[in-house]
Amino acid sequence: EIQVLDSGGGLVQPGGSLRLSCAASGFTFSSYAMSWVRQAPGMGLEWVSTITGRGDTYYAGSVKGRFTISRDNSKNTLYLQMNSLRAEDTAVYYCAKGIDYRLDSSPFSSWGQGTLVTVSS
Amino acid sequence: EIVMTQSPATLSVSPGERATLSCRASQSVSTNLAWYQQKPGQAPRLVIYGASTRATGIPARFSGSGSGTEFTLTISSLQSEDFAVYYCQQYNNWPPRTFGQGTKVEIK
Repeated sequence: EIQVLDSGGGLVQPGGSLRLSCAASGFTFSSYAMSWVRQAPGMGLEWVSTITGRGDTYYAGSVKGRFTISRDNSKNTLYLQMNSLRAEDTAVYYCAKGIDYRLDSSPFSSWGQGTLVTVSS
Repeated sequence: EIVMTQSPATLSVSPGERATLSCRASQSVSTNLAWYQQKPGQAPRLVIYGASTRATGIPARFSGSGSGTEFTLTISSLQSEDFAVYYCQQYNNWPPRTFGQGTKVEIK
């Protein structure tokens, strides 16, 4: 069974840092592009970042230069390092797996349960 | 950046009736279009990808159509478990991968 379990959220002050993790199982993790998607309270879905199986990284303009996506294929784990956090980064963050290992950009077929990040003083 | 626009924002439908949701892209995305269902407090769930292919475990009452800039998600006979928010997403031109703002399907 494919599982992705995200964790690491919490309350952080503006300007602070936080690292999210996503533990994956049930598939060949190293072959798949993995992504982070967020959802602010009461709002819609926003793509944040993707890392391909080769390690290429892509970011939304709103987080570029502040967030860093990475992966440890030996641990089947995805990360999102978030620095210089702002109030507008407050959201539930989901890790997501693409449906097709052959495509860097494929729909998200498996999602974590979400981890809440709150940026507030 | 491709802008995805969904309509209507809210759709009120009685159980057993048909629901038709629309999604428009600001430029062609070919058939690289997905639909997701999200219930309160839950992660999104993939419903349709490739504009018309049902994801694993999705009932046949869900169907998708369209290409280019105009797409439709149809739920042929709404069941109680189908009331949720539905998002479309393009994955043709990225970054960024963009979502629509969502359509809430509520009980009439």
